[in-house]
Amino acid sequence: GAVVSQHPSRVICKSGTSVKIECRSLDFQATTMFWYRQFPKQSLMLMATSNEGSKATYEQGVEKDKFLINHASLTLSTLTVTSAHPEDSSFYICSARDPVRRGADNEQFFGPGTRLTVL
Amino acid sequence: AQSVTQLDSQVPVFEEAPVELRCNYSSSVSVYLFWYVQYPNQGLQLLLKYLSGSTLVKSINGFEAEFNKSQTSFHLRKPSVHISDTAEYFCAVSRSGSARQLTFGSGTQLTVLP
Repeated sequence: GAVVSQHPSRVICKSGTSVKIECRSLDFQATTMFWYRQFPKQSLMLMATSNEGSKATYEQGVEKDKFLINHASLTLSTLTVTSAHPEDSSFYICSARDPVRRGADNEQFFGPGTRLTVL
Repeated sequence: AQSVTQLDSQVPVFEEAPVELRCNYSSSVSVYLFWYVQYPNQGLQLLLKYLSGSTLVKSINGFEAEFNKSQTSFHLRKPSVHISDTAEYFCAVSRSGSARQLTFGSGTQLTVLP
């Protein structure tokens, strides 16, 4: 149980285009999802917290208009990188909480990540 | 706010040798502590966690970590490593009572040599 998927796993796009990344909780309902960004050989940096039915909460320094987050249902959050540029190339990872899962309400379950390369 | 320090960015070790990956944290409130493992081009997998109770926690694949409040540490240990343990290991902390925000350390690359 507690599986989180991401799609696509890898995407290559041209500079100036927009890319949408999906994060799904497959066997539980996630009222809260998190989006992280990881540069090569670096740690995960929290970008934003996505709450179902409300606006996402962005971390300081993260551009809201560039990284659009939508959490329209209890099992799906999307991250759209708008007008992507080469410096946006990174590994994007989502995670989700299962607040009703016994013993795991304090745990985040991570997706496998999406490798974005902007040419 | 919390912070996590992983002092060793890379730890090479020979197969079947013991290993310790160090993690120190800073927080003004009670915390939960986690170790995650990341294999190449994959997401993070929870290895073990400390929430409360026994300060020694163990994973199913032989890793263990001990919460030391006085030293604000949560070092990860394994008495005998395997080639398959080669991966990036991240220590993380969240405020006790919630995993709403995880703060990660910079990671330690464990490389097990034959």
